[in-house]
Amino acid sequence: IAGITQAPTSQILAAGRRMTLRCTQDMRHNAMYWYRQDLGLGLRLIHYSNTAGTTGKGEVPDGYSVSRANTDDFPLTLASAVPSQTSVYFCASSDSATGELFFGEGSRLTVL
Amino acid sequence: GEDVEQSLFLSVREGDSSVINCTYTDSSSTYLYWYKQEPGAGLQLLTYIFSNMDMKQDQRLTVLLNKKDKHLSLRIADTQTGDSAIYFCAERRMGNQGGKLIFGQGTELSVKP
Repeated sequence: IAGITQAPTSQILAAGRRMTLRCTQDMRHNAMYWYRQDLGLGLRLIHYSNTAGTTGKGEVPDGYSVSRANTDDFPLTLASAVPSQTSVYFCASSDSATGELFFGEGSRLTVL
Repeated sequence: GEDVEQSLFLSVREGDSSVINCTYTDSSSTYLYWYKQEPGAGLQLLTYIFSNMDMKQDQRLTVLLNKKDKHLSLRIADTQTGDSAIYFCAERRMGNQGGKLIFGQGTELSVKP
């Protein structure tokens, strides 16, 4: 059972470039999330989707966009990357009963 | 995660108990969680407690919830070197668009032999 799969694992990107982080889940969870993790700040919610076809903004949505065309996939796009977007990005999905989040292994992004 | 507060570091000796504390702000939160993150990995759920409970015990882990003070703690008995990791508390906030988890900054637990 794969759970949550993220790609790429790691990427170095020039400022101004467009980048899409991919996330796929095989648990048929309705809700999915993107968080970024930065030292001393914990995890901050970027965008979320409660069900296929809907998305919402989290705490730090600026500079990011998401789409949810189906239940399994929830890509995160940086239209024009900036150095402050250097971070580790985690995708997650949640069990509707308890709200437990299941996390991917993370995508480490460095913007130069 | 600025509304969920944790201290950043905790150091204990192997065999001692560890207590990691967390304060949250939303009294309507339904579930509170403890996640563990090992180096280079994602977060894994350790345990959770429903907001109408005061305590939950699971093997070496004890969670205490004080709703009046909005304080959550995680006690790890007989701490081992394999418990070294970052521990995150999180609260599930309910809204008109469903529940979202808000995380604290994480507490880095260092276990010395």
